[in-house]
Amino acid sequence: QVQLVQSGAEVKRPESSVKVSCRPSGGTFTNYGFSWVRRAPGQGLEWMGRIIPILGIANYAQKFHGRLTIIADESTNTVYMELSGLRYEDTAVYYCARLQNSGWLYFDYWGEGTLVTVSS
Amino acid sequence: QSILTQPPSVSGAPGQRVTISCTGSRSNIGAGYEVHWYHQLPGTVPKLLIYDNNNRPSGVPDRFSGSKSGTSASLAITGLQAEDEADYYCQSYDSSLSEYVFGGGTKLTVL
Repeated sequence: QVQLVQSGAEVKRPESSVKVSCRPSGGTFTNYGFSWVRRAPGQGLEWMGRIIPILGIANYAQKFHGRLTIIADESTNTVYMELSGLRYEDTAVYYCARLQNSGWLYFDYWGEGTLVTVSS
Repeated sequence: QSILTQPPSVSGAPGQRVTISCTGSRSNIGAGYEVHWYHQLPGTVPKLLIYDNNNRPSGVPDRFSGSKSGTSASLAITGLQAEDEADYYCQSYDSSLSEYVFGGGTKLTVL
């Protein structure tokens, strides 16, 4: 059974940064891609970016360019998402989602989510 | 404003059939990119419901089905049950943006 284990909830000040981890288990790490998707209160799902370790590439939604970094540490089979310049509207649940390994076009497994609260 | 357009809400009585539409454009659904559907029950994580327009992952009941035509797609749920009450999202890929795109979500209420 595939599980994506994420790090715990965070409370951050405006203009600071947050780093969330995601460790997949139960499947090969490098054959898949991993995305970060968030859901703010009262809003829908929003794609932020992805990384495909076997290709060594990361892509980001235009909205987050310059603020978002996604890396994959193959030595520990862990994916990280770092969002900087936090704003109140970045308060959301952040999900790690695995991209299926045939075209990387949809998300077949999701992590349990990490609540990030931006508050002064 | 989402790139893919869904109705904000739909409702139906137990046992009925409901459909949820997902309208895109020539740079996503109309460009040939498949449509995938997820649902998120209250307090839970999103779960893949339909992939590649009309395929169900193992464990998803055949009450759920998907279709795609032109620049739009639909999710149909037959034999509606109380446990189907959730938020439903369509998702595809947009070649103009080079981004994955979600619909705004549809809240299904079982009356």
